[in-house]
Amino acid sequence: SQELEQSPQSLIVQEGKNLTINCTSSKTLYGLYWYKQKYGEGLIFLMMLQKGGEEKSHEKITAKLDEKKQQSSLHITASQPSHAGIYLCGADIDGNNRLAFGKGNQVVVIP
Amino acid sequence: NAGVMQNPRHLVRRRGQEARLRCSPMKGHSHVYWYRQLPEEGLKFMVYLQKENIIDESGMPKERFSAEFPKEGPSILRIQQVVRGDSAAYFCASSPASRVETQYFGPGTRLLVL
Repeated sequence: SQELEQSPQSLIVQEGKNLTINCTSSKTLYGLYWYKQKYGEGLIFLMMLQKGGEEKSHEKITAKLDEKKQQSSLHITASQPSHAGIYLCGADIDGNNRLAFGKGNQVVVIP
Repeated sequence: NAGVMQNPRHLVRRRGQEARLRCSPMKGHSHVYWYRQLPEEGLKFMVYLQKENIIDESGMPKERFSAEFPKEGPSILRIQQVVRGDSAAYFCASSPASRVETQYFGPGTRLLVL
């Protein structure tokens, strides 16, 4: 069973538009990580959230973790072609350092 | 400040051969994790190691797969008698400590079994 569900599976946006992707778990998470992967490449670390209600921003990307620590959203403001890629959410579900991952959100930004 | 290094980046093997994948963690990191990304599937945890110790191998297939992280040198993921189903991208990650620390990933090794 997939422990982390990511939605939408794919998203196409016009350059300059905002977008939001989501990651949901049925269990309380010890830590929630967002990574970005370009096709054929490794994972680039974006942000880590640990506390319920936590919100972090880096450049035009903002990630939030809900109070129950079961859902996270990642919001990109004024998207650019450089934001295109697959966004993976990973989580430490049982506190044992094993990260479980969702299947990813594929983001396409049209110039 | 080099990141996580993996080699080779691409590896082609025939069925029945052995595959050896190497991972050098980031400087100062003593924890290494291996994950596998199969086509059309998400990234799956395989094994978690510290120097000279296997901490958690709950994600490793029971046969043909082994991993080590010796006192000196890189971590090695070894796959014996490879089969076509082993074709995947294998990623290594490292972290400085064990408790909810960010895992930084390498570029991956893409294994193709013919």
